[in-house]
Amino acid sequence: QQQVKQSPQSLIVQKGGISIINCAYENTAFDYFPWYQQFPGKGPALLIAIRPDVSEKKEGRFTISFNKSAKQFSLHIMDSQPGDSATYFCAANGGNNRLAFGKGNQVVVIP
Amino acid sequence: DTAVSQTPKYLVTQMGNDKSIKCEQNLGHDTMYWYKQDSKKFLKIMFSYNNKELIINETVPNRFSPKSPDKAHLNLHINSLELGDSAVYFCASSPTGVDEKLFFGSGTQLSVL
Repeated sequence: QQQVKQSPQSLIVQKGGISIINCAYENTAFDYFPWYQQFPGKGPALLIAIRPDVSEKKEGRFTISFNKSAKQFSLHIMDSQPGDSATYFCAANGGNNRLAFGKGNQVVVIP
Repeated sequence: DTAVSQTPKYLVTQMGNDKSIKCEQNLGHDTMYWYKQDSKKFLKIMFSYNNKELIINETVPNRFSPKSPDKAHLNLHINSLELGDSAVYFCASSPTGVDEKLFFGSGTQLSVL
């Protein structure tokens, strides 16, 4: 049973546009929500993470929005660049040292 | 200097063979992991070690046996390889647990023929 669900499965965005990836979770015990970025042939790398005590976190062009009541969080990539083309994974942890990953979203930014 | 390095990068082998993947981290982290990424890119934890002690064994067939000779190394040995074992295997480390940044290696693509 998948604990973290991502949408859309893939996304094509024009350079300069905003990429938005959504993630929904079920387990209310989750208290740590990271996003990982993976380029082809590489391992995932932590992009940004949030805890449920804040509703938004911004790092450069990347923002996480968190809605605790809806059990949803999303990644916004502002001013998307071709170098942002990658697979993005949301994840969640509930204190048992197991990160539950979503299935990943492929983002393609076209020039 | 590569933070988490795993070898080999590619592994092509026949069904029934035994193979090993090695992983080393030079970050001084206490916790290391093995993750499996299937053809649909789904990432799933297999094992986690903290200071050489197994703390997570996520219902993985016992043909898979991790070994941690010291906290900087976590190797994965697979016996009697099956077609369904074909995947990319990632080693990762973190200072203590998954609530901190996970550092992943570049992966080992295992193809079982």
